[in-house]
Amino acid sequence: GDSVTQMEGPVTLSEEAFLTINCTYTATGYPSLFWYVQYPGEGLQLLLKATKADDKGSNKGFEATYRKETTSFHLEKGSVQVSDSAVYFCALSLNTGGFKTIFGAGTRLFVKA
Amino acid sequence: KAGVTQTPRYLIKTRGQQVTLSCSPISGHRSVSWYQQTPGQGLQFLFEYFSETQRNKGNFPGRFSGRQFSNSRSEMNVSTLELGDSALYLCASSLDPAGLYEQYFGPGTRLTVT
Repeated sequence: GDSVTQMEGPVTLSEEAFLTINCTYTATGYPSLFWYVQYPGEGLQLLLKATKADDKGSNKGFEATYRKETTSFHLEKGSVQVSDSAVYFCALSLNTGGFKTIFGAGTRLFVKA
Repeated sequence: KAGVTQTPRYLIKTRGQQVTLSCSPISGHRSVSWYQQTPGQGLQFLFEYFSETQRNKGNFPGRFSGRQFSNSRSEMNVSTLELGDSALYLCASSLDPAGLYEQYFGPGTRLTVT
């Protein structure tokens, strides 16, 4: 079935370190891919998206490229800040007559000053 | 523009009871989806409504049901509550009916079943 697998956390980094959170997916058809973020005490919000192969989504210094050949959508940031501490969710959305979104398990990121 | 609102924010129920949760989407959004979030299972898709029709359903028992009204507001109902139904229930609305773009999430309703 359709699924999203992302690296387990927590991930702990020092400020200004490079971040990669791996995400791979399995889907029938051609999904759209998303990264959502949940900051402490806040609701889930969209971080970035890509709707077709080779698209790169970017926002707030984060980037992810839709790789159809490796069915991946890895999240990267060149220099993390303490304020990036949050839970990050990789997700895919499929149109199957209606649409459904499948989320990964989430990866908690801690950034130390 | 007001965001997605969910009521109530917190709820405590007893096993065997039923519960109704409400969601008001962003004005103009006609697609509403519901998710269950638990520490063990993560975020799981419950169902999606568009123009009062359920178009998609996740793998949940029939005790979980929902509906959408003509003003796009949506409710979900859980009957015969079980302890395992304790979770954060999230509602999300979308302008795009095909699911290609973003969903806007509400703050959730935290349901505790005792």
